[in-house]
Amino acid sequence: QVQLVESGGGVVQPGTSLRLSCTASGFTFSSHGMHWVRQAPGKGLEWVASIWYDGTNKYHADPVKGRFTISRDNSKNTVSLQMNSLRAEDTAVYFCARERRNIWNALDFWGQGTLVTVSS
Amino acid sequence: QSVLTQPPSVSGAPGQRVTISCTGSSTNLGAHYDVHWYQQLPGTAPKLLIFANNNRPSGVPDRFSGSKSGTSASLAITGLQAEDEADYYCQSFDTSLADVVFGGGTKLTVL
Repeated sequence: QVQLVESGGGVVQPGTSLRLSCTASGFTFSSHGMHWVRQAPGKGLEWVASIWYDGTNKYHADPVKGRFTISRDNSKNTVSLQMNSLRAEDTAVYFCARERRNIWNALDFWGQGTLVTVSS
Repeated sequence: QSVLTQPPSVSGAPGQRVTISCTGSSTNLGAHYDVHWYQQLPGTAPKLLIFANNNRPSGVPDRFSGSKSGTSASLAITGLQAEDEADYYCQSFDTSLADVVFGGGTKLTVL
């Protein structure tokens, strides 16, 4: 069955960096676009970044552009989110999600999420 | 302020029908981008409920249906059940922002 498992969350100070990883199993990873979506405590969903199935194109939301970078390694079935210059407003649960094949931006499987807390 | 506007809350009694609206603009829903809907039960990850306006993934009951017209979309839930109590989000793409966008979410309460 499809599984997405995020890791790498934790408590960090403002201005520091963190790298999130998402390991996929149960499907052909290299055939699907992948996304990161976050949810601040008690708030709604916010799209963060996406990457094409082959890694050739990457997109980032304006609030994280220039600070966060999405990447993938199809040989290891992983998608990562490198987060630099973290701010308090980046505090959230970060979900990785699989894009449904041939349905642009429809996220059909999600991981359980990893919590990132940015606080001094 | 979300680009896609949803009512903060809706409610209904068991067995009733409720609808959740998602209002966009000419740069997203009105630009013919598809809308997708997600259900998020308390303390869990979101689940894809409707994709490409009106399609259900396998396993989603036919009590859930979606529609889209112009700059608006709707999610309808018939035969409301206690287990439907959750947050619901619409999602699309906005060509002006060049970003994937979510609605602010709607909390459904089953009375």
